[in-house]
Amino acid sequence: EVQLVESGGGLVQPGRSLRLSCAASGFTFDDYAMHWVRQTPGKGLEWVSGLSSNSGGMGYADSVKGRFTISRDNAKNSLYLQMNSLRAEDTALYYCAKGTRSSTSPDAFDIWGQGTLVTVSS
Amino acid sequence: QSALTQPASVSGSPGQSITISCTGTSSDVGGYTYVSWYQQHPGKAPKLMIYEVSNRPSGVSNRFSGSKSGNTASLTISGLQAEDEADYYCSSYTNTNTLDYVFGTGTKVSVL
Repeated sequence: EVQLVESGGGLVQPGRSLRLSCAASGFTFDDYAMHWVRQTPGKGLEWVSGLSSNSGGMGYADSVKGRFTISRDNAKNSLYLQMNSLRAEDTALYYCAKGTRSSTSPDAFDIWGQGTLVTVSS
Repeated sequence: QSALTQPASVSGSPGQSITISCTGTSSDVGGYTYVSWYQQHPGKAPKLMIYEVSNRPSGVSNRFSGSKSGNTASLTISGLQAEDEADYYCSSYTNTNTLDYVFGTGTKVSVL
């Protein structure tokens, strides 16, 4: 079964850091680009970042550029998102999503995890 | 970069057809054939229903179809069923410097 399982979310104070993980199974992880997409009740879905299959290409939304870093470990079938200098507006449910090709763009997201909730509050 | 514009809600009776619009600009929907649609039931993750404007992934019912004209993409659900009641989001690749993909505002589909 193709599956993505996120972890690492939680309650964190503004300005602090958090690292999200996404464990993949059921497909050849190192053949596909991977992405992070977040969702808030007020702003809907927002693409956060994407990383190509060999980590050679990556992209970030302006809202997180310079604060978040995406990475992957193909040997461990895992995707990560290091989030620094967190702000209240980063509060969201963070989804890991699989791309349909090896490069980050252009693409669609054909498999999604169940999400991990990040709450930034003092 | 603004979100793509979708109607807040669309409703229909079982068996009817409904269409959800997704309006963007020449920098996203109008400039590329990389428009996708996602279905999201309450408390669940989004599910890919249409990619590259009009292609259905394996396993998605042929009652779902997609199209595009200019800066507006559309998702049509024919033979509406109770299980189709969900939120639907469009997404497009974009060539702006602010992000690679933009999502729509979302549409709540209700089956009367």
